[in-house]
Amino acid sequence: AQKVTQAQTEISVVEKEDVTLDCVYETRDTTYYLFWYKQPPSGELVFLIRRNSFDEQNEISGRYSWNFQKSTSSFNFTITASQVVDSAVYFCALANFGNEKLTFGTGTRLTIIP
Amino acid sequence: DSGVTQTPKHLITATGQRVTLRCSPRSGDLSVYWYQQSLDQGLQFLIHYYNGEERAKGNILERFSAQQFPDLHSELNLSSLELGDSALYFCASSVATREDEKLFFGSGTQLSVL
Repeated sequence: AQKVTQAQTEISVVEKEDVTLDCVYETRDTTYYLFWYKQPPSGELVFLIRRNSFDEQNEISGRYSWNFQKSTSSFNFTITASQVVDSAVYFCALANFGNEKLTFGTGTRLTIIP
Repeated sequence: DSGVTQTPKHLITATGQRVTLRCSPRSGDLSVYWYQQSLDQGLQFLIHYYNGEERAKGNILERFSAQQFPDLHSELNLSSLELGDSALYFCASSVATREDEKLFFGSGTQLSVL
C-alpha cells in the first residue's frame, strides 16, 4: 500500500521568511512519481512539480525548490522569500508506475503573514 | 485557468436525492479522473476513464457511478445521497492514461447534502 504523510497541518510565517513543507512517502514499488499541488483559497488544484523515482536531483523554479531524498523517502518543498500569494494548502502526492491513481497527503495549510 | 470545466460550481440538495456532476476535459485530453475532497477523508481517487472506457476504480461507493461520453466529457452520478457525501468533487484530465503524467484539475463542484 502506498501512503503519503504531511505531518505539518498548518504553518504560519511572516512574509519574506523561508518555509519548508515536509512530505514523507511509503511505497513498495521501485518506480514511482511524486508531485506537489497547490490549492489556493479559490479552491482549484494547481500542479507545481512532478519527479520520478530515478531522478534525485533537486529542482529549483524561481522561489520554489524541491529536495528529493530516496534514502529517507522524503520530497520536501521550500519556498524562499515567501509572499502573501503563497498562502494556500499544499498537497504532496504519489503515483506508482502503472497505477492509475494519485495518493495524496492530507495537506499543509500555509499562511503568510504580511 | 486549467482548461478543465466543471459544472455546477455549487450544488445543494437533500438526503436521498440524486445529482449529476459534469466535467469537460481540456481539449485533446483523453483521460478524465474524479476525486473527492472531504474534511475527514482528504483527497480520494474515485474513478478514471480513458477515451470512454473505465480504466481504474478507487474508493467509489456503489451509489456513485460515472461515464465518459464520445465527446470525452464525463459525468459523475451520485444517488441516494447521504450527509457524508458532502464534499468538493474534482475532475482532472490528462493526455496520457497514467497519473504519472501531469493532471490538470478543474475548480471543483461543492456538493452540500442537507
